[in-house]
Amino acid sequence: AQSVTQLDSHVSVSEGTPVLLRCNYSSSYSPSLFWYVQHPNKGLQLLLKYTSAATLVKGINGFEAEFKKSETSFHLTKPSAHMSDAAEYFCVVRGLSGGSYIPTFGRGTSLIVHP
Amino acid sequence: DAGITQSPRHKVTETGTPVTLRCHQTENHRYMYWYRQDPGHGLRLIHYSYGVKDTDKGEVSDGYSVSRSKTEDFLLTLESATSSQTSVYFCAIMGTGELFFGEGSRLTVL
Repeated sequence: AQSVTQLDSHVSVSEGTPVLLRCNYSSSYSPSLFWYVQHPNKGLQLLLKYTSAATLVKGINGFEAEFKKSETSFHLTKPSAHMSDAAEYFCVVRGLSGGSYIPTFGRGTSLIVHP
Repeated sequence: DAGITQSPRHKVTETGTPVTLRCHQTENHRYMYWYRQDPGHGLRLIHYSYGVKDTDKGEVSDGYSVSRSKTEDFLLTLESATSSQTSVYFCAIMGTGELFFGEGSRLTVL
């Protein structure tokens, strides 16, 4: 079985300050991990993915995430928030279940950016 | 962008009526998924398919059925819609290790 826990349902930052969105996972299989972003009333867009290569993964729009196996974490960071970063962010773990690939989503973190 | 489309994009129906949502892909990918999105719950897996006529249940499959008779189409059916099935439904396909999503289908059951 696999699961994803996003530790904060809401994160509020000021424009220009760092962003940290936290994600812990559990998986009995060496997982692939992803972050997706969803802007209001829009679909989901891939920010970045980890698939057992480099543990520090760089994504689009200045986001990056670090895979830490010992902590079972995959936190998303950005050095300086922009107003356009305000959105819902989902951490996803993809593992194997019964021979099939099953992506499991966290409940999401709403990022609020203040001017 | 991955070639994945959902129809209808919006639907309002009444309790007890059947509803079918369609997901169509042009990428020839093996895996297809149906999720529902509700506030505070993220996306929850309803059913998935790993090939033609090969489907399995996800964590919230009660009240839903699926069919995949062709690689490109994955249908989600609510046999008798209930108000608890009011939600936004997303179809996804798995490409080279990552998911690509449709635009979503907003279903309201009155």
